[in-house]
Amino acid sequence: KAGVTQTPRYLIKTRGQQVTLSCSPISGHRSVSWYQQTPGQGLQFLFEYFSETQRNKGNFPGRFSGRQFSNSRSEMNVSTLELGDSALYLCASSSGTSGSYSYEQYFGPGTRLTVT
Amino acid sequence: AQSVTQLGSHVSVSEGALVLLRCNYSSSVPPYLFWYVQYPNQGLQLLLKYTSAATLVKGINGFEAEFKKSETSFHLTKPSAHMSDAAEYFCAVSGPAGNKLTFGGGTRVLVKP
Repeated sequence: KAGVTQTPRYLIKTRGQQVTLSCSPISGHRSVSWYQQTPGQGLQFLFEYFSETQRNKGNFPGRFSGRQFSNSRSEMNVSTLELGDSALYLCASSSGTSGSYSYEQYFGPGTRLTVT
Repeated sequence: AQSVTQLGSHVSVSEGALVLLRCNYSSSVPPYLFWYVQYPNQGLQLLLKYTSAATLVKGINGFEAEFKKSETSFHLTKPSAHMSDAAEYFCAVSGPAGNKLTFGGGTRVLVKP
């Protein structure tokens, strides 16, 4: 099976702009989670989607949003970019049903976002 | 709330020596514990997981970890370090409901020849 893919791999944006990142999970996986990784704050959970519904949410401002499509592909959007949004954004997929969890998350290679 | 503390942000070991990475957790619910490895410019790869079965968990690449409830620890070990083990290692915890992982700060491992 193909792994988790994320596009683009690298992105440079200007403060105030918005950005959309994409994640394609492993075939058959219906859960997609997003994480932000920075040198200062480490790895932090953004949100999780399952069957097009947000199932869990981290402590990030409303500028960070996401969605999931019927084919389980997910996008996250960051509006009004700030310098502090520069980070590696990681997507992870897992199997399981609406009432159970596989507890194994498979991560993509990430999208490196630089805000100037 | 859950939290994870990894003791030591950097560890240096000689090739062939024991690798020991420390992880302590805090959780108000039965924890599920994980170790991930990250190589430069890559995502995270799952090394092993504890989900309330055997307390000694064996993972990939010769790594293993032991869950000790009394010490709230989940330390990662490998008997003999290899140059390819040079990477950053993350301990993480989640509750029984959900895929929300809380990560430790990470430990970067340097392997000396």
